[in-house]
Amino acid sequence: DTGVSQNPRHKITKRGQNVTFRCDPISEHNRLYWYRQTLGQGPEFLTYFQNEAQLEKSRLLSDRFSAERPKGSFSTLEIQRTEQGDSAMYLCASSSRQTTNEKLFFGSGTQLSVL
Amino acid sequence: AQSVTQLDSQVPVFEEAPVELRCNYSSSVSVYLFWYVQYPNQGLQLLLKYLSGSTLVKGINGFEAEFNKSQTSFHLRKPSVHISDTAEYFCAVKNFSGAQKLVFGQGTRLTINP
Repeated sequence: DTGVSQNPRHKITKRGQNVTFRCDPISEHNRLYWYRQTLGQGPEFLTYFQNEAQLEKSRLLSDRFSAERPKGSFSTLEIQRTEQGDSAMYLCASSSRQTTNEKLFFGSGTQLSVL
Repeated sequence: AQSVTQLDSQVPVFEEAPVELRCNYSSSVSVYLFWYVQYPNQGLQLLLKYLSGSTLVKGINGFEAEFNKSQTSFHLRKPSVHISDTAEYFCAVKNFSGAQKLVFGQGTRLTINP
């Protein structure tokens, strides 16, 4: 069990640029989640995949945000035309219905700073 | 919709003292309840969870929490804290319906002083 891996750890970009983050879940986990955390707040749910299907999507996920999990393994989260309000820690988590009994395993996150 | 309120944003305590971190939730449906901990520069880890059964649940590192349905609370306790317990603690809820969304509180920063 190598844990949930997120890359990059930090990303600094200029307003208006596009950014993409990657998440590699624990290998046998079929469920994958994205959350966003701003300073002094708890994580906020963005989206959920079961295998390659995106089954839940928050209203926080504007049309500038898109997430994919093409083969049911790793996932990418893309933000187009970044805004300063997108600055946050983006967290990925994974779980397996069979083995974890509602337990999510979180990665260390990607810290996005939009200048 | 669900919401979670953690009543204290920061809690300083001395080492070996007891601690209670408070959590109240609001939901129109039955929920599962969780406490997650975030140590500096690490991902969130599950401390404990209440799914059903006994309302007193025990977790890792000597923590426990009690589910009180009438008061819609799920307070976290530890009888004697250690310096290594310094971290951010998050209470979260998830409804029974099958939706996978976890709703987190704002977090409580626990600082242990020697």
